[in-house]
Order: sequence, then structure tokens, then C-alpha cells
Amino acid sequence: QKEVEQDPGPLSVPEGAIVSLNCTYSNSAFQYFMWYRQYSRKGPELLMYTYSSGNKEDGRFTAQVDKSSKYISLFIRDSQPSDSATYLCAILTFSGGYNKLIFGAGTRLAVHP
Amino acid sequence: NAGVTQTPKFQVLKTGQSMTLQCAQDMNHNSMYWYRQDPGMGLRLIYYSASEGTTDKGEVPNGYNVSRLNKREFSLRLESAAPSQTSVYFCASSDLAGESYEQYFGPGTRLTVT
Repeated sequence: QKEVEQDPGPLSVPEGAIVSLNCTYSNSAFQYFMWYRQYSRKGPELLMYTYSSGNKEDGRFTAQVDKSSKYISLFIRDSQPSDSATYLCAILTFSGGYNKLIFGAGTRLAVHP
Repeated sequence: NAGVTQTPKFQVLKTGQSMTLQCAQDMNHNSMYWYRQDPGMGLRLIYYSASEGTTDKGEVPNGYNVSRLNKREFSLRLESAAPSQTSVYFCASSDLAGESYEQYFGPGTRLTVT
């Protein structure tokens, strides 16, 4: 079983829609949950992260963690064509003084006008 | 402040050829990483370097070697390229400083092995 599972999509939605992106993970000890956004032919950039359970909101984006079901979500409200990108969930782990990321496969999102 | 830079941007190799991918960061980070990204697979860690002078294997190290030349530079070498190494390679750097847990990625190198 992969440590982080993510449906690769693609997902196509009209402008203004609410988008829900999801991942599941296997290790209940994981505490830091990240969302990276990757535009076509670019490197990933950190969008937001949450620690442990609960929600975190940043503008139109909300990250949610449900540790009881090992489920992480990213919601995008009022989606825009500029949100078209691949969204990667990742788990942050710590070992020997450095941090290591375990990535999901990434979900490709297209928001059409 | 350029962040993380990678060279080259694109490369085509024949099977059996060798090459080195270069990465440099100007953020004074201790840790550096090499990932490969394949369709449907996400990013997989090849090698990492927790600090200058140390390197360790990641999830998919076979067929690769690395050198942490100094604090700024971390190179990835393919000694004898194979078609299975066709991929997009990303270098990243990070530091554990307060609440900053971000890994910063370079723009990537697109490698095709024929």
C-alpha cells in the first residue's frame, strides 16, 4: 500500500465552481500535511499546510485534515482559470535533522471559463 | 535571489551515455534533494543531503549517484543512462527554521533517454 494515495484525475470544472481535491494516507503517526501546486512545466510550490487535525483557510483555499479516517482535502472556492494546475498532496516527515516529503500522485485540475 | 536553479533545462541522451544534472541554491539551506516525476507517480525521492558532506538514498536511488559539492550545490549523475530514466528531475532545498517547513523546488530538467 502506498503511504499517500491521490486520484490523478484529470478534473475539469467551470469557472466559479467549488473544487474538492482529496488524498488518503496510511500512517496514523503523520502530523504535517502539505498541498503543493504545480503549473505546467514548472516546479511545485507550497500552497499551504496544516498540522494535525482541523482546517486552515487562506483566501479561496481551505485545507482540511481528518485524522480519524486518514483523509486530507483541499477545497477551492470560486475557482478561476488561473487555478488550472496539478495539485499534489504531501506528508512531511522528520528524520535526523532534515525534513522529507512523501507525495501523492497529483491531481490535474482544469478550470474552464 | 534566484532560489533553486537547475541546468540543463532539457537533455536527450542515448542509452549508455552519462551526464550530470546540476543544482544550486542561494538560500543558505542545509538540506537538498533530488526527485524524479513520472506521469501518475507523483514525485519520488532519489537522493537527499541533510547537510554539506552527507548524502543518503531515497526511494529510487538505483542508477544514480550524487555529490554535495558544497553547501550551495548538489549534483545528480547518471553513469549509464537507460530509457527507464526518462523523466523530469527536480532539485529542492529546505531548512528547519521555526515554522518554515517548506521545500523550495527548481524549475526541473526534462530528460529523454532513447
